[in-house]
Amino acid sequence: QKEVEQNSGPLSVPEGAIASLNCTYSDRGSQSFFWYRQYSGKSPELIMFIYSNGDKEDGRFTAQLNKASQYVSLLIRDSQPSDSATYLCAVNGGNNRLAFGKGNQVVVIP
Amino acid sequence: DTAVSQTPKYLVTQMGNDKSIKCEQNLGHDTMYWYKQDSKKFLKIMFSYNNKELIINETVPNRFSPKSPDKAHLNLHINSLELGDSAVYFCASSQRHTDQPQHFGDGTRLSIL
Repeated sequence: QKEVEQNSGPLSVPEGAIASLNCTYSDRGSQSFFWYRQYSGKSPELIMFIYSNGDKEDGRFTAQLNKASQYVSLLIRDSQPSDSATYLCAVNGGNNRLAFGKGNQVVVIP
Repeated sequence: DTAVSQTPKYLVTQMGNDKSIKCEQNLGHDTMYWYKQDSKKFLKIMFSYNNKELIINETVPNRFSPKSPDKAHLNLHINSLELGDSAVYFCASSQRHTDQPQHFGDGTRLSIL
């Protein structure tokens, strides 16, 4: 089983709608969770991080953790064309390694 | 001010050559990393240094040798380059290890001819 899985294919959302991304993780002891945005040809850029003690909202972004089901989600409200990118989920695997998912591509349609 | 800077941005070279990539961070972080992102965009840890000490050494060919002269610098030297080494290599840094966010450099796109 992969450490971090992001299984959804490309996600197309109309401008102004909510984009919802999930990732599942295998290490139940994971304590910190990160979402990165990566534009094509650019480096990963941190947009949100949460610890196991709770969810977090920052502007149009909300990160939520479901420890029982071992998944973390990212909601993007009022999606904008500039949100079109690949979103990488990363989880502290508890073995001193940050494990990344393969990413989900989001396309916001004007 | 660039927080994590890598040089060069692009590296095109022939099989068998030896090359180095340099990384510097001015964030005051004590941990630095090297990642490889392949053509399928999967980001995989290669090495991690904390205060100049190697703490992660993933299953990477020993042709890859990291060096950290101080906690603000982490360089990557690659010997005898192979076609499969073509990828984007990212340097990153964080304050403390793993439970703090990592900040990435712009990447070095390595192409082997």
